[in-house]
Amino acid sequence: DAGITQSPRYKITETGRQVTLMCHQTWSHSYMFWYRQDLGHGLRLIYYSAAADITDKGEVPDGYVVSRSKTENFPLTLESATRSQTSVYFCASRHGPNTEAFFGQGTRLTVV
Amino acid sequence: GESVGLHLPTLSVQEGDNSIINCAYSNSASDYFIWYKQESGKGPQFIIDIRSNMDKRQGQRVTVLLNKTVKHLSLQIAATQPGDSAVYFCAENPMNTGFQKLVFGTGTRLLVSP
Repeated sequence: DAGITQSPRYKITETGRQVTLMCHQTWSHSYMFWYRQDLGHGLRLIYYSAAADITDKGEVPDGYVVSRSKTENFPLTLESATRSQTSVYFCASRHGPNTEAFFGQGTRLTVV
Repeated sequence: GESVGLHLPTLSVQEGDNSIINCAYSNSASDYFIWYKQESGKGPQFIIDIRSNMDKRQGQRVTVLLNKTVKHLSLQIAATQPGDSAVYFCAENPMNTGFQKLVFGTGTRLLVSP
């Protein structure tokens, strides 16, 4: 199906474990983003990418790693999960810099 | 579904009223702005956008106003319906990243009573 999809939708992991959240888009959009959303906060930018192999930090990058070897995929890895990383994670993509971004359905991650 | 933003400012209106949601943005050099709607348990959905060379743009039942002098954005929803109940976010493209980033405001919860 066309669009942007995230997997898994729900994940529970233990403190210290590595976990990877997947994001896939079918539009060949150049730009992709990862946000986290916590109670009492809006969407905070973790990392973004302007094209394959080009990534940059957002507002809250610590503890996260991204890669973009293919235009359509933008995985987010928590190298050693902490309870403070319990959140809802949203991936988004857009065609160009001044265009609307389309969001996935989100991944709810719980770190215990 | 996920309960997003328990501490967000809330606007409560009656069905049929007009709603105005405000947003103060941070970067005077931002040149593109978007309003998103987020329903419980879902990702944000695009509503309307506006570029900095405009001060008003209209869509279906929605109007966005941009005041660059005071760095203020507003979303007007006409004849608000219960289905409009959601959290609304504004987002901006800051120039210092070559307009690549998309940065969100804190959001406003809209509650529409029948």
